[in-house]
Amino acid sequence: NAGVTQTPKFQVLKTGQSMTLQCAQDMNHEYMSWYRQDPGMGLRLIHYSVGAGITDQGEVPNGYNVSRSTTEDFPLRLLSAAPSQTSVYFCASRVQGATYNSPLHFGNGTRLTVT
Amino acid sequence: AQSVTQLGSHVSVSEGALVLLRCNYSSSVPPYLFWYVQYPNQGLQLLLKYTSAATLVKGINGFEAEFKKSETSFHLTKPSAHMSDAAEYFCAVSEDNAGNMLTFGGGTRLMVKP
Repeated sequence: NAGVTQTPKFQVLKTGQSMTLQCAQDMNHEYMSWYRQDPGMGLRLIHYSVGAGITDQGEVPNGYNVSRSTTEDFPLRLLSAAPSQTSVYFCASRVQGATYNSPLHFGNGTRLTVT
Repeated sequence: AQSVTQLGSHVSVSEGALVLLRCNYSSSVPPYLFWYVQYPNQGLQLLLKYTSAATLVKGINGFEAEFKKSETSFHLTKPSAHMSDAAEYFCAVSEDNAGNMLTFGGGTRLMVKP
C-alpha cells in the first residue's frame, strides 16, 4: 500500500518563486491536511479539507493556498516563497465522519528551503 | 483555545530504564489526546489515543499513557527502554468531535544509551 505520497522530497526555492507541493493518498480518506514542522514548535496546521471541494484554514494559513478537486489529491501552493516558509511540510489524511478520532496517516515530508 | 506543553525537548535514558515523557494540555472542554512518534526522515505514526473510554491507555511498542484530568496531564511511559525507541515523540490534543484541528506540542527527542 502506498498510503500518503508526497513529492518532491526536497526543494530549494529563491525568494518570490512559486511552487506546488503534491500530496496524494490511495486510502479513500475524506480528510486531508497540511502541516509544517519547525524545530521546537511541533507541527502546525496550515490548511485542511474534509472532502472534495471543501477546504478550510488552520493555524498558519498565510502565504499558502490549497484546493481539493479530487478525494485523492490535496496540493499545497506557495505563490511567492519567503525565507520564513523554510520548513518541513507534512501531508496527512484520515477517515472522516463517525470515526472522528481515527488516526492521521502521514506522508514522509517535503523539506523546503527558501533562500 | 487549546494548547499542549511537552516538558523537556530532549530526554536521555539508558537501555532498560523507565521512559517518562511529559505532556500537559489546556482545553476548555474534555479533550481527545494523542501521542505520535516520528522516526528519522519519516512522517508521524500514532502510538496511542485517549477518547474517554479509559484513563490508562495502552499503545504500540509497550508504551502507555495515563489521562489525569486534575493535573491536565497525559504523560507517556514505557517500563523498559529499547534502543529502537530512540525517536521524537509528539503529544497532540483535539477539542472538536470531528478532530479536524489537532494542536501538537513541541516534541521531545528521546535518546537511548546502551
